[in-house]
Amino acid sequence: GAVVSQHPSWVICKSGTSVKIECRSLDFQATTMFWYRQFPKQSLMLMATSNEGSKATYEQGVEKDKFLINHASLTLSTLTVTSAHPEDSSFYICSASVRETGDTQYFGPGTRLTVL
Amino acid sequence: EDKVVQSPLSLVVHEGDTVTLNCSYEVTNFRSLLWYKQEKKAPTFLFMLTSSGIEKKSGRLSSILDKKELFSILNITATQTGDSAVYLCAGETSGSRLTFGEGTQLTVNP
Repeated sequence: GAVVSQHPSWVICKSGTSVKIECRSLDFQATTMFWYRQFPKQSLMLMATSNEGSKATYEQGVEKDKFLINHASLTLSTLTVTSAHPEDSSFYICSASVRETGDTQYFGPGTRLTVL
Repeated sequence: EDKVVQSPLSLVVHEGDTVTLNCSYEVTNFRSLLWYKQEKKAPTFLFMLTSSGIEKKSGRLSSILDKKELFSILNITATQTGDSAVYLCAGETSGSRLTFGEGTQLTVNP
């Protein structure tokens, strides 16, 4: 149980375009979903926390107008990287937490974004 | 600002060796300390520690938390090549926010 999927698993786009990444909890309803970014050889950095039906809470230094998060249901959250630039190239990982199991976070497989 | 520091950053051992990975943390409103294993993709959960001094075990892996010293260790005994991965430690605050350390890159050679 507690499976989280992400789509796409990798994406290459041109500079200036927008890219949408989906995160789904497949077999449970997630209390909260989290978005992380991981640059090569670095650890995961929390970008934002989102609860279904409310605005996401962004970490300091993360531009909310650039990284749009929509959390439309208890099983789906989307991250849109708007006007992507090469420096946005990274590994984006979502996680979903389940209140019934003590808010343990289960991670998706990640999305590799490359901006040319 | 919350901070998690892991050491060593990288470690190379031979199969059969025992390793100890270290994690120190400074996290406000601390709730738990988590260990994850990351291979090619997203992290997989290993342990969640909330109480001091109580060892958690899973096969050859074990972990313990010291809330007084703000420290945790992850032990792996009789290492195998399949244990090669990045091991991440994270401090959790209320609201389930995780602050990750840089990770320890473990390489187990045959």
